[in-house]
Amino acid sequence: GQNIDQPTEMTATEGAIVQINCTYQTSGFNGLFWYQQHAGEAPTFLSYNVLDGLEEKGRFSSFLSRSKGYSYLLLKELQMKDSASYLCAVNTGFQKLVFGTGTRLLVSP
Amino acid sequence: EAGVTQSPTHLIKTRGQQATLRCSPISGHTSVYWYQQALGLGLQFLLWYDEGEERNRGNFPPRFSGRQFPNYSSELNVNALELEDSALYLCASSLVVVGSGANVLTFGAGSRLTVL
Repeated sequence: GQNIDQPTEMTATEGAIVQINCTYQTSGFNGLFWYQQHAGEAPTFLSYNVLDGLEEKGRFSSFLSRSKGYSYLLLKELQMKDSASYLCAVNTGFQKLVFGTGTRLLVSP
Repeated sequence: EAGVTQSPTHLIKTRGQQATLRCSPISGHTSVYWYQQALGLGLQFLLWYDEGEERNRGNFPPRFSGRQFPNYSSELNVNALELEDSALYLCASSLVVVGSGANVLTFGAGSRLTVL
């Protein structure tokens, strides 16, 4: 079967750092994606990891451990506009993405 | 550059009817994908089209079908609508790069289908 787990909701304060975890068990693995989705809007691409390690892109970083079936998205210097849902998705082959249910992040002043 | 556009934004149908959703990819993108986002569930993969051909299909019944036109736009058809088909249907597009492990998808804002 295919299983992607991530916390349902997280809260954090403006300026803080937050880590959103994602664990996966899938029948195939061809890379892991993180997408951001503001309410009522399209998901937008944040990061892609296919090899173990950390990928840094500005305030956002994503980490992957294939042996542990684990990834996290790290958001630094949180801003109010970062309030959104964060979707973890695994490419299981033939361009099929299996998504978790998403983590809703609420950033407060 | 225009993004992925979908129409209609909202659609209300009754059980048993048919729904047709449309998608225009980003100019130059040859692949189109369809996902269903039902309340409380993650995005579920429906279909992948590339160069007019269906390349992969998710675990959905045959009443979910679609096609891709020569201009790379796409249509999703849902026949014999059921209440549980009520969801946001997202279309995405990408370039297909030979030898690439995974394509980065650019999503549209979606079509919300309500079945009464």
